[in-house]
Amino acid sequence: DIRLTQSPSTLSASVGDRVTITCRASQSVSTWLAWYQQKPGKAPKLLISKASNLETGVPSTFSGSGSGTDFTLTISSLQPDDFATYYCQHYNGFPLTFGGGTKVEIK
Amino acid sequence: EVQVVESGGGLVQPGGSLRLSCAASGFSFSKYWMHWVRQAPGKGLVWIARINSDGKVATYVDDVRGRFTISRDNAKNTLYLQMNSLTADDAAVYYCARETTMAASYYMDVWGKGTTVTVSS
Repeated sequence: DIRLTQSPSTLSASVGDRVTITCRASQSVSTWLAWYQQKPGKAPKLLISKASNLETGVPSTFSGSGSGTDFTLTISSLQPDDFATYYCQHYNGFPLTFGGGTKVEIK
Repeated sequence: EVQVVESGGGLVQPGGSLRLSCAASGFSFSKYWMHWVRQAPGKGLVWIARINSDGKVATYVDDVRGRFTISRDNAKNTLYLQMNSLTADDAAVYYCARETTMAASYYMDVWGKGTTVTVSS
């Protein structure tokens, strides 16, 4: 199974900060990687697919990059609504797996 | 509005069974592959099963294969998850999710709010 390791597990930041979350795969997943945002008690929300494709309606402050085993999710200017937990997910075959999550907290 | 709504969660004893349902609306359910994903309290997301659009092909994670069965009724726009031989490790919020239509892409673009399964004596 492909293991996805996210770092950091928790991140403290302020509104307006630039934030970067990394996701490392145990083997190459090409660009078959998605990013989700989850708020407490809510369902995950798809942000990015194919490593860098921003979903419709997602603010342009979000961006994704990477290929192979190393990926990043960047929030260029953190907004109050962005405080949440973020997960990466590969879809380079089964089983699908998720990273352990990165919680973005208010500093 | 495109949405999926889970139901059927609750308290079950270890070794017991439970069937979850997921009602879809606002889209052509029969054209989409569907998934179940779970999240134990305070933990991350875990994919557990996927079913193709006509219900004939199912894929599972090893932890649930042989105990859980994913199925669907396209006439009722409903996805199911039959869970047997439940253990404490199966306690979680169970999410139903729609797979994107993008070719060869197994990520989920619509998620329900989840239904909670508690396993306890």
